[in-house]
Amino acid sequence: GESVGLHLPTLSVQEGDNSIINCAYSNSASDYFIWYKQESGKGPQFIIDIRSNMDKRQGQRVTVLLNKTVKHLSLQIAATQPGDSAVYFCAEAPAGGTSYGKLTFGQGTILTVHP
Amino acid sequence: DTGVSQDPRHKITKRGQNVTFRCDPISEHNRLYWYRQTLGQGPEFLTYFQNEAQLEKSRLLSDRFSAERPKGSFSTLEIQRTEQGDSAMYLCASSLRLVNEQFFGPGTRLTVL
Repeated sequence: GESVGLHLPTLSVQEGDNSIINCAYSNSASDYFIWYKQESGKGPQFIIDIRSNMDKRQGQRVTVLLNKTVKHLSLQIAATQPGDSAVYFCAEAPAGGTSYGKLTFGQGTILTVHP
Repeated sequence: DTGVSQDPRHKITKRGQNVTFRCDPISEHNRLYWYRQTLGQGPEFLTYFQNEAQLEKSRLLSDRFSAERPKGSFSTLEIQRTEQGDSAMYLCASSLRLVNEQFFGPGTRLTVL
């Protein structure tokens, strides 16, 4: 996607299409990765997560892919609906220690679904 | 509603004033987190508690910021001598210990004039 005024990548799709949102993470020691959806005026909402010992995990209409070699995470949304329109964030967390559970969020992507 | 709640939802204050926000986590969750989010950015970690113990604080949390969770249930975040740069959405999240999934509240939007 291309940057917009808020400097967030954007993705525009038609209703019913599949969407793929990408994220590059920074810490090779991160053990846990999560995708959140954030609608305007609301807090982030958990979508799906994956641990570093997995490459793929599927949920309802969503799939997360993890490529540790290139530190890349993607979220696939099948049959995208207008209600999926939101900002999507990936987040990473360390394996343990005192920082266990501390989430580091990546840059968001604005998904717009056109009816 | 059994989710995370935050109060107030919006706060407008003048520079130099003190403000306090409250977060009520999901009742059985013993971990509580505070994040700050500015427009166009992802949330940034500020601090977190396990029960009443504050286990980690971000370098973003200056001396003007303090957070408490006195009884291991609700938490407060206080900002003293607010500055315009403090304007942001302050998000609270909670989770069970040893479970990564964090549930976020709706946030408190702070505007410092």
